[in-house]
Amino acid sequence: EAQVTQNPRYLITVTGKKLTVTCSQNMNHEYMSWYRQDPGLGLRQIYYSMNVEVTDKGDVPEGYKVSRKEKRNFPLILESPSPNQTSLYFCASSWVAGGPYEQYFGPGTRLTVT
Amino acid sequence: AQSVTQPDIHITVSEGASLELRCNYSYGATPYLFWYVQSPGQGLQLLLKYFSGDTLVQGIKGFEAEFKRSQSSFNLRKPSVHWSDAAEYFCAVGLRAGSYQLTFGKGTKLSVIP
Repeated sequence: EAQVTQNPRYLITVTGKKLTVTCSQNMNHEYMSWYRQDPGLGLRQIYYSMNVEVTDKGDVPEGYKVSRKEKRNFPLILESPSPNQTSLYFCASSWVAGGPYEQYFGPGTRLTVT
Repeated sequence: AQSVTQPDIHITVSEGASLELRCNYSYGATPYLFWYVQSPGQGLQLLLKYFSGDTLVQGIKGFEAEFKRSQSSFNLRKPSVHWSDAAEYFCAVGLRAGSYQLTFGKGTKLSVIP
């Protein structure tokens, strides 16, 4: 089954404790992206990647890092989480050639930073 | 920069009534257009998309959308709403060339009265 998976689905952590949210897709998509969703603000893009070793900032990159060492994986790293990063996070992927195409979304990771 | 406006934050309709959710975009050319649905606790699922051709597009779950170039709109419609349609709906826009990013509206929450 074609899908985007994220882990963990729920995470509660404390300020300053480094964490990683994993994202994996099995559709051989070149493009992968991270969004955060906050009430009243919709989805805002954090980082995206056009292919392996190619990443770029989205609209709200501060406080986040990403890497793309393999085509299928695109982890989101919070090196020193703060309470304002409490949010619902989505990973998405899509094809690139001739695009833009519809993006396929993971189930989301709800992060709480206390 | 492109932008997407969903003027209605929350809409309530009775089951069996018709539905129209509005989406307007701001961009110099005709972009790629998408509607996504997010059920409670779920990720985003693509309902339908418009790339070119017939301006009335059919999607899943009985939804359709009409692209109106003169109004820069891509409104989502359904003739008869079911209780299971209660969810949040997002309009998204992608540039035709040179970018694979999608810009999302802030969403419209749909409530359905039995």
